[in-house]
Amino acid sequence: DAGVIQSPRHEVTEMGQEVTLRCKPISGHDYLFWYRQTMMRGLELLIYFNNNVPIDDSGMPEDRFSAKMPNASFSTLKIQPSEPRDSAVYFCASSSWSSGSSEQYFGPGTRLTVT
Amino acid sequence: LAKTTQPISMDSYEGQEVNITCSHNNIATNDYITWYQQFPSQGPRFIIQGYKTKVTNEVASLFIPADRKSSTLSLPRVSLSDTAVYYCLVGDKWGGGADGLTFGKGTHLIIQP
Repeated sequence: DAGVIQSPRHEVTEMGQEVTLRCKPISGHDYLFWYRQTMMRGLELLIYFNNNVPIDDSGMPEDRFSAKMPNASFSTLKIQPSEPRDSAVYFCASSSWSSGSSEQYFGPGTRLTVT
Repeated sequence: LAKTTQPISMDSYEGQEVNITCSHNNIATNDYITWYQQFPSQGPRFIIQGYKTKVTNEVASLFIPADRKSSTLSLPRVSLSDTAVYYCLVGDKWGGGADGLTFGKGTHLIIQP
């Protein structure tokens, strides 16, 4: 398996623009997680899904952020409108309940810069 | 209320054993302890997970005392490539909500030659 795939790897956009980050989890995994990492706040959980259903979105900072998982092999994190304080590295991770371990497999991340 | 407390940074030398301790005074009966490692410009990588006593794998050992209010990640004979950030997480094995998925800022381990 290719692991968790994220695109784009880097995104530079202007304030006010819409940004869409994409994630393809490992095939067969039934949990998907979105995280944000900054120097100030460390690695924060934004939202996670189980079997394509959002379970906990309490980490989503505000209404400008939304996440969807239309099927088991694809998820998006959208920011509209984007602001400079959204600049961060966004990670997607997936895991499998059936493995018996809650080990999460992380993607390479998307580095977002909002100017 | 933070669930875990770990040192912000640690230094050691190649060939030494490194022990990183994490405090989790409010650990619940169903909670597991999980450690991740993160290199610069990469996502975190799972190291080890345990519930009580001692767990060992090819990379590290995890020591958990009987009261489970702390845990120690032990890295034997470290090398320069072990320089990374190490995160301690405590929570229900499947997160039980976001509590079990709090990474925070971790411990920045620096290994010197």
